Amino acid sequence: GQNIDQPTEMTATEGAIVQINCTYQTSGFNGLFWYQQHAGEAPTFLSYNVLDGLEEKGRFSSFLSRSKGYSYLLLKELQMKDSASYLCAVGFGGATNKLIFGTGTLLAVQP
Amino acid sequence: EAGVAQSPRYKIIEKRQSVAFWCNPISGHATLYWYQQILGQGPKLLIQFQNNGVVDDSQLPKDRFSAERLKGVDSTLKIQPAKLEDSAVYLCASSYTADNPEAFFGQGTRLTVV
Repeated sequence: GQNIDQPTEMTATEGAIVQINCTYQTSGFNGLFWYQQHAGEAPTFLSYNVLDGLEEKGRFSSFLSRSKGYSYLLLKELQMKDSASYLCAVGFGGATNKLIFGTGTLLAVQP
Repeated sequence: EAGVAQSPRYKIIEKRQSVAFWCNPISGHATLYWYQQILGQGPKLLIQFQNNGVVDDSQLPKDRFSAERLKGVDSTLKIQPAKLEDSAVYLCASSYTADNPEAFFGQGTRLTVV
């Protein structure tokens, strides 16, 4: 079966850097996604990794190691508005394009 | 480009009643997902369509939940009869293809069963 693990909660300070880890087990891996979800809102897409390595997009970066079944999301220069849940999701199943989510990491940014 | 549309935004029903949710995906997106998100948890996949065919409904409680995507465009998800534990946000998402797999979400329907 498929399994995704990520920490339940994290706390960080405004202006700092935080790394949110995600480990997964799946078959027919298509890629790994990170979504941001503010309370009461729908998830919004942050990043997508299909090959090993680091993808940088402004203050957010995402890393993937397929051999280790491991990814992380790195948030730099944290702002209060970054307080949200961060969802790790795995695409799998080849052409069927299946997508499952982890339980999410609730990040609290403190002044 | 219009996003994923869902309705209604909110619904309150009594247990044992029935309810239906509607989703219109982004134009041209072949894949449509229905997720259930209970407060404090990640989205749980209920059913996935590829065009008008079901790809995965392994976690859909088929004794009470049903979904269809006639004509491969919009979709409805129905619960009959509802239970208290069905209280959740029901999210619809769509994506283009496996080669362009980013999923876009609608605003969701918040269901409260009392």
